[in-house]
Amino acid sequence: SQTIHQWPATLVQPVGSPLSLECTVEGTSNPNLYWYRQAAGRGLQLLFYSVGIGQISSEVPQNLSASRPQDRQFILSSKKLLLSDSGFYLCAWKTSGTYEQYFGPGTRLTVT
Amino acid sequence: KNQVEQSPQSLIILEGKNCTLQCNYTVSPFSNLRWYKQDTGRGPVSLTIMTFSENTKSNGRYTATLDADTKQSSLHITASQLSDSASYICVVSPDRGSTLGRLYFGRGTQLTVWP
Repeated sequence: SQTIHQWPATLVQPVGSPLSLECTVEGTSNPNLYWYRQAAGRGLQLLFYSVGIGQISSEVPQNLSASRPQDRQFILSSKKLLLSDSGFYLCAWKTSGTYEQYFGPGTRLTVT
Repeated sequence: KNQVEQSPQSLIILEGKNCTLQCNYTVSPFSNLRWYKQDTGRGPVSLTIMTFSENTKSNGRYTATLDADTKQSSLHITASQLSDSASYICVVSPDRGSTLGRLYFGRGTQLTVWP
């Protein structure tokens, strides 16, 4: 069966510090991968998606970046965090050509 | 503009009671509509998914309806339990099984079930 992992589960970082969030998927090959952010009281916002290794598309201009160094690994990064980067970050995957997206457990990021 | 609106924003009911959550969307073209349940601090979990040709789908005590003509959906929860306390998110996709799988999310209805 397929599983999706995210770490860390929670993170508190000062403004201006770097960020690295990791997402890995098990039990499937060549998944589509997604990074979302969920701010308090807001709907999920798509940040990045990837349809293959090294292929990253950005939905929203920001100081975040994403990378996909391996087929089932998706990384969200920042060189300098802003207060506005605080939120709940969710990774998701799906098989190309199907409807269902499966979400990871999320990472709660607080920028102080 | 592609939007998904949910109502009410929050709802409190007593354990054992039924409730109905609403979702209106303007996403076009339309492929499918999903309802997700999101427990606090957790990732969303899919409850139902309906394509444009389906008008109802059940998953245990959860029953979703879809009217593609009026672009409305509802999620009915029967005999609520304490564990139903969560945010329920309506999600609409315009992509018919495409590579991207773009989704439009509502802000969710926060349901609280009291004993």
